[in-house]
Amino acid sequence: AQKVTQAQTEISVVEKEDVTLDCVYETRDTTYYLFWYKQPPSGELVFLIRRNSFDEQNEISGRYSWNFQKSTSSFNFTITASQVVDSAVYFCALSEAWGVTGGGNKLTFGTGTQLKVEL
Amino acid sequence: GAGVSQTPSNKVTEKGKYVELRCDPISGHTALYWYRQSLGQGPEFLIYFQGTGAADDSGLPNDRFFAVRPEGSVSTLKIQRTERGDSAVYLCASSLTSLLGDTQYFGPGTRLTVL
Repeated sequence: AQKVTQAQTEISVVEKEDVTLDCVYETRDTTYYLFWYKQPPSGELVFLIRRNSFDEQNEISGRYSWNFQKSTSSFNFTITASQVVDSAVYFCALSEAWGVTGGGNKLTFGTGTQLKVEL
Repeated sequence: GAGVSQTPSNKVTEKGKYVELRCDPISGHTALYWYRQSLGQGPEFLIYFQGTGAADDSGLPNDRFFAVRPEGSVSTLKIQRTERGDSAVYLCASSLTSLLGDTQYFGPGTRLTVL
């Protein structure tokens, strides 16, 4: 079973539309962290947000907002009034301690959602 | 400040050859991670260093892959007897500590093509 599932492979929207990217995760831990990264065409992964399992408050940063719901094991990402510059692949990732050797903080990524924003 | 840098940005090699990929982490970051990203997939963990030691190498696919970080800063990922299936983007990331949840910052990657 996938630990991080991003069921939407590709989403296309027209500029100024709102769009939500889904992320569902699976873990046995009570303490874990979730991340979102953006990968533009240039290829470099850009950190967007980190959320720990004890903080279920939604977060807003400009046009970006995140909805974390432990009851459904989801950490969804919404872009309001999308822009062409938002076109990228977005990855959700999980950091957990369960079954991890040597301590550490390795990330398990989903397969990503390709977002295309057109004029 | 400077981010994570990786060299070369692109590497083309022939099947059976040896390659080295270099990662220079953010200054002061003690933890360093290597991931591999195949086309259309998310990055997959290979190995992580805390300081000079490889604390978790459970993601290395086989013994042709090896990584070092001799002085606790720059790291080199080494691949022997390359195979076509090794073709991918190799990503390096660093974080201030190795504590659970510490944010990892990624470099631009090295695109490896094995002909």
